[in-house]
Amino acid sequence: DGGITQSPKYLFRKEGQNVTLSCEQNLNHDAMYWYRQDPGQGLRLIYYSQIVNDFQKGDIAEGYSVSREKKESFPLTVTSAQKNPTAFYLCASSMRAPTISYNEQFFGPGTRLTVL
Amino acid sequence: RKEVEQDPGPFNVPEGATVAFNCTYSNSASQSFFWYRQDCRKEPKLLMSVYSSGNEDGRFTAQLNRASQYISLLIRDSKLSDSATYLCAVIGYGGSQGNLIFGKGTKLSVKP
Repeated sequence: DGGITQSPKYLFRKEGQNVTLSCEQNLNHDAMYWYRQDPGQGLRLIYYSQIVNDFQKGDIAEGYSVSREKKESFPLTVTSAQKNPTAFYLCASSMRAPTISYNEQFFGPGTRLTVL
Repeated sequence: RKEVEQDPGPFNVPEGATVAFNCTYSNSASQSFFWYRQDCRKEPKLLMSVYSSGNEDGRFTAQLNRASQYISLLIRDSKLSDSATYLCAVIGYGGSQGNLIFGKGTKLSVKP
C-alpha cells in the first residue's frame, strides 16, 4: 500500500533531550512537509523540502532541524532549543514542489510528542 | 486580519440536518482552496478541493465567493459519522508562496 508512515506514534522526552521523528513515504512524491498542531489550533508549518538535499524553513522553524538525504525520507529533529515541544507532529507529502496551483498534500498518521 | 479564519464552533446539529461552515481568507490573489476533515487525534484527510465556482461530492458542496473572500462547506443530511473537525486550507502567496495555510478548524458534532 502506498502512503506515508510516521514513527513512533507516541514519544516521551525529558527536557534537554533531542529527539528525531521519522517520516517515510512511498508515493514517489517530490515535496515533503512537517507541521505542528497544538490543541484547538490549526497546522503550522515547521520545514518543507521540495527536492532531495534541499529544504526551507516554514513559519516556526526555531528549535527544529531536518534533513532530506533520500526522496522517501524527511526526518525531523526536535532539539532542546525548542521551548515548548509538546504537540502533535504531522508529516505530509505532495506530488511536486509548492506552486500557486493545485497541490494536494497527503498526511501521515502523526507523532504525539510529550515532554516530561 | 489572519490569513485564514474559521469559526471554531462547535456546531451541534441533529442527524439529517443541513449545516454550513465558512472560511475567510485575506489574500485576494489566492487561487486554490481545500477542505480537510480531521477526526479526533488523527491526521487531516482531504475532503474536497475548491476551484473557480465550487465543487460537489454527494452530500458535500464547497463554494467559493471571491468577492467576499470566503469559501463555504455545506453538508446535507448530516450523519453521525460526519462528526469531526473541518479544516480550511489556502495556498499562500508572498512569504508563504505555494504552501498550504490552514485555519484552526471548525468542530462539528452530529447528535442522534
